[in-house]
Amino acid sequence: EPEVTQTPSHQVTQMGQEVILRCVPISNHLYFYWYRQILGQKVEFLVSFYNNEISEKSEIFDDQFSVERPDGSNFTLKIRSTKLEDSAMYFCASRRRTRDKDTQYFGPGTRLTVL
Amino acid sequence: SQQGEEDPQALSIQEGENATMNCSYKTSINNLQWYRQNSGRGLVHLILIRSNEREKHSGRLRVTLDTSKKSSSLLITASRAADTASYFCATANAGGTSYGKLTFGQGTILTVHP
Repeated sequence: EPEVTQTPSHQVTQMGQEVILRCVPISNHLYFYWYRQILGQKVEFLVSFYNNEISEKSEIFDDQFSVERPDGSNFTLKIRSTKLEDSAMYFCASRRRTRDKDTQYFGPGTRLTVL
Repeated sequence: SQQGEEDPQALSIQEGENATMNCSYKTSINNLQWYRQNSGRGLVHLILIRSNEREKHSGRLRVTLDTSKKSSSLLITASRAADTASYFCATANAGGTSYGKLTFGQGTILTVHP
């Protein structure tokens, strides 16, 4: 069964550095998402992406964050200047949305640690 | 309480028993989905129930939805030690501007003792 994949599984970075988290959504899906989960807390929506543009974003998704779909397969989340509070598990998800299916499928996550 | 609140926060049962988790939400929804997360791992989709459905089954899982009370329940029958995980409900809001954003609850930590 097709899966969403994410790389790297764990990223350690210094405060102020830029990081790029990568995702390969399921190939025939059209909607793409990033969520994050701070340790011990609930999963929070960051951004949705459809038709090559951001369709919705949360207050967390400020100017330090950006998303891109540089080719037909990858979907990336960039954090320009990381802060300690950006340390979290970041999940990518994709969705196709048909008459019968509306499920979001999540990747295994990237654990980001900002030192 | 916030959108997608589960209770109980933690549930501890013996293998073979049934586990019931509840979820409440505040806004009108398009659908409600249940996910499972093993410690430190990704989210695994379990089941989706649409706003016009009242009950759905998948294997040992049974989900109910009461839109008048804005609540849902997840029942796992004949639980196994391997069911030990955190369980989250997530709602997709109704409305034309929604592109399927999910709002998650705090989750229920289920522990099944062998």
